[in-house]
Amino acid sequence: GQQVMQIPQYQHVQEGEDFTTYCNSSTTLSNIQWYKQRPGGHPVFLIQLVKSGEVKKQKRLTFQFGEAKKNSSLHITATQTTDVGTYFCAGTGAGSYQLTFGKGTKLSVIP
Amino acid sequence: DTAVSQTPKYLVTQMGNDKSIKCEQNLGHDTMYWYKQDSKKFLKIMFSYNNKELIINETVPNRFSPKSPDKAHLNLHINSLELGDSAVYFCASSQVYGVGTEAFFGQGTRLTVV
Repeated sequence: GQQVMQIPQYQHVQEGEDFTTYCNSSTTLSNIQWYKQRPGGHPVFLIQLVKSGEVKKQKRLTFQFGEAKKNSSLHITATQTTDVGTYFCAGTGAGSYQLTFGKGTKLSVIP
Repeated sequence: DTAVSQTPKYLVTQMGNDKSIKCEQNLGHDTMYWYKQDSKKFLKIMFSYNNKELIINETVPNRFSPKSPDKAHLNLHINSLELGDSAVYFCASSQVYGVGTEAFFGQGTRLTVV
């Protein structure tokens, strides 16, 4: 079955440093979504990427979808304490409707 | 107004008991899901319903039985609870069943089996 791998599992950064999490799929994806889960909270949709090589920005967050549509990344510039949480990628395989979540990257920001 | 609401938020129960978690969405979505999040935060889909019909039934023990009385509700009943069932269970919904539809999650139900 489809697998979505996400690294790193944990990341501790000093406030103001940058952060990146990477997502890789064993199969070509139709689209990839990113979610953020704050501690004690529920996953909240951030963005969806559909096109090969697509790049989208939301303020300090930059999302990329690889040319082969098998990988994606989320980059946060100059992290803030409000960025703390677990970031999940979730992909839908080509020809499938099922959304498969990566294991998430837990981000800690040290003030 | 809460878009996807599930009750209860916390559930502590003894092994062997039967319990239910309720979920309702007021978004008018066609598709609803149940996810299980274990202690390592891994989100795994359990079931997916589209217009009250079961679409996805992952490898889940048959002690877990979803029920969708209408497309706005998807309840989860668990028989003979085991210690390993302890987790956070999230209900979610999406507008349609298909590619490119974001999922809206409920607040979660933290189930603890003792």
